[in-house]
Amino acid sequence: DGGITQSPKYLFRKEGQNVTLSCEQNLNHDAMYWYRQDPGQGLRLIYYSQIVNDFQKGDIAEGYSVSREKKESFPLTVTSAQKNPTAFYLCASSIDRWRTGENQPQHFGDGTRLSIL
Amino acid sequence: DAKTTQPTSMDCAEGRAANLPCNHSTISGNEYVYWYRQIHSQGPQYIIHGLKNNETNEMASLIITEDRKSSTLILPHATLRDTAVYYCIVRSYTGANSKLTFGKGITLSVRP
Repeated sequence: DGGITQSPKYLFRKEGQNVTLSCEQNLNHDAMYWYRQDPGQGLRLIYYSQIVNDFQKGDIAEGYSVSREKKESFPLTVTSAQKNPTAFYLCASSIDRWRTGENQPQHFGDGTRLSIL
Repeated sequence: DAKTTQPTSMDCAEGRAANLPCNHSTISGNEYVYWYRQIHSQGPQYIIHGLKNNETNEMASLIITEDRKSSTLILPHATLRDTAVYYCIVRSYTGANSKLTFGKGITLSVRP
């Protein structure tokens, strides 16, 4: 089945450690996104990528890094510089608007819940 | 992107229609109305979107007022599995910033 796969579902980070969250999609979507959700809050955009080898900062990029070496994959690294990393991380993808002339719906994975040990 | 206003919560009986309202009085001409829902501990699920005409798909109907300042998401026959937080979002047609701005949404509780 086509979809977006995030792994792991739960992740624990020690102080000073970098951790990487995986996001893979087989929908042939051009654009991919990372959001963070805190309890009782809406989603905030961390990074997004509209094409391979290119990505843009979102509203809260500090302490995070990404790469986009393949169309299907958009891993997010939570670095030790992110002082409050405990959150629910959501990856999304969409067909890029240049194909259809309008913004397309973003489709989400089931998230990774990151906690600090 | 324009802001939206939704009630905090509502409930409906299983099998009945659930009508979820959303106000977006500052919406501009190139902004679409999107609806997503999020079931606890899962990622948001896309439901439907529209510009000015009413839209229907296999999940729901979207009714947008003529002045586009408000809309209603209709789940025609609510089931217990429709219990979730529903987000109404307005988003630019061709905005360079591709983010979705999620507010707190409306919590729909479907009762047996």
